Amino acid sequence: AQSVTQLDSQVPVFEEAPVELRCNYSSSVSVYLFWYVQYPNQGLQLLLKYLSGSTLVKGINGFEAEFNKSQTSFHLRKPSVHISDTAEYFCAVLLNQAGTALIFGKGTTLSVSS
Amino acid sequence: NAGVTQTPKFRVLKTGQSMTLLCAQDMNHEYMYWYRQDPGMGLRLIHYSVGEGTTAKGEVPDGYNVSRLKKQNFLLGLESAAPSQTSVYFCASNQPGTGDSPLHFGNGTRLTVT
Repeated sequence: AQSVTQLDSQVPVFEEAPVELRCNYSSSVSVYLFWYVQYPNQGLQLLLKYLSGSTLVKGINGFEAEFNKSQTSFHLRKPSVHISDTAEYFCAVLLNQAGTALIFGKGTTLSVSS
Repeated sequence: NAGVTQTPKFRVLKTGQSMTLLCAQDMNHEYMYWYRQDPGMGLRLIHYSVGEGTTAKGEVPDGYNVSRLKKQNFLLGLESAAPSQTSVYFCASNQPGTGDSPLHFGNGTRLTVT
C-alpha cells in the first residue's frame, strides 16, 4: 500500500521569507511524485512533478522540490514567498504504472503575511 | 478551450434527496475521476473511469454511483443524500501512460446536505 503524509497542516510565514512544505511517502515500488496547489475557490493546479532523473525538480512560480529516496521524502521549497503564494498545497503519489489514480496527502495551508 | 467543466457549482439538498453532478472534459482524455475534499482530509477518490463504459471504485465509494456513457462526460450520482456527503466535489481527467500526464481539475461543486 502507498500513502502520503504531509507533516504540517498549516505553515504561516512572512513575505519574502523562505518556506519548506514537507511530504513523506511510503511505497514498496518506485513512484511518481507531484505537488499541486489550490487557490481559494478553485480546482488544483500542477506545481511540479518527479518522474525520474534529477532529484531536484523545478516547477512554476519559483517552487522546487527535492526527491530523497533514502528518506522517502519530497519536500517543496521556495526561497522567497509572496502574498500571492497563499494557498493550499497537496503532495501526491502515483505508482509507477499506468492506470492508477493519484493518492493525495491531506494538504498544507500556506499563509503568507506582510 | 474549457478544460474540465463541472455543473452545478453549488447545490443544497435535503436528506434523502437525489442529484447528479456532471463533469465534462474537452481534452479527449481517457481517464476521469471524482474526488471529494473535506477540511483536514485532503482529496479522497470516490470513483474513477479508465474509459467509456467503465468505472471503478476509489477510496470512499459508498453512497455514490457513477456512469461514463460518453468519453467526455463522467456523472456522479447521489441516490439518497446524507449530511455526511456535505463536501466539495472535484472532477479531474488525464491520459493514461507513463505518469507524465497531470490531472486537470474542474473548479468544484460545493454540496450542502441539510
